[in-house]
Amino acid sequence: ETGVTQTPRHLVMGMTNKKSLKCEQHLGHNAMYWYKQSAKKPLELMFVYNFKEQTENNSVPSRFSPECPNSSHLFLHLHTLQPEDSALYLCASSDDSGFSVEQYFGPGTRLTVT
Amino acid sequence: SQQGEEDPQALSIQEGENATMNCSYKTSINNLQWYRQNSGRGLVHLILIRSNEREKHSGRLRVTLDTSKKSSSLLITASRAADTASYFCATAYGFTGNQFYFGTGTSLTVIP
Repeated sequence: ETGVTQTPRHLVMGMTNKKSLKCEQHLGHNAMYWYKQSAKKPLELMFVYNFKEQTENNSVPSRFSPECPNSSHLFLHLHTLQPEDSALYLCASSDDSGFSVEQYFGPGTRLTVT
Repeated sequence: SQQGEEDPQALSIQEGENATMNCSYKTSINNLQWYRQNSGRGLVHLILIRSNEREKHSGRLRVTLDTSKKSSSLLITASRAADTASYFCATAYGFTGNQFYFGTGTSLTVIP
């Protein structure tokens, strides 16, 4: 887990707030991901970035806005969220110089929307 | 959906016993991976098995893959209390193979 860090670890926000989640990977990887993990549901892939370019957006609502300024950093900007957006948000990275390699996950940000 | 589905949803065993978890998926895959997640933490990669492999070992872990049945199993031998966690299978798909579908996981409890 130390290869991928996420801040903050816990976040409570109101529906009218704007906040950002930060992810940083220290592994020299070129692909980064955002996942949402809700109770009793499969882990949901939200966004994929390869070499800073977004290559996947799995029909995520526009109230979630990703940003990838470089290959080491990934942000998830949040605004006007709903209570059902409360979940564990996980960031991951991988080295896509190979094919179908493992992903390294951060510890996650536990988000509560009130 | 190509999601992997783990079975059982929950498993409780005594320390020293073996634990077996199963995963089923729906379409062709590039590979299948197993991950572990301790409560409220990130996932940790355990083992990857490619679509042309049938069995793979890593320490106390043994993974099998049956592409004809679209299923995989994870066996943890001689379980320890520290193995208590949720276990997920992930199927890789897509052109680059970096898009994963995860299942809902098997929650394993190993009783000391």
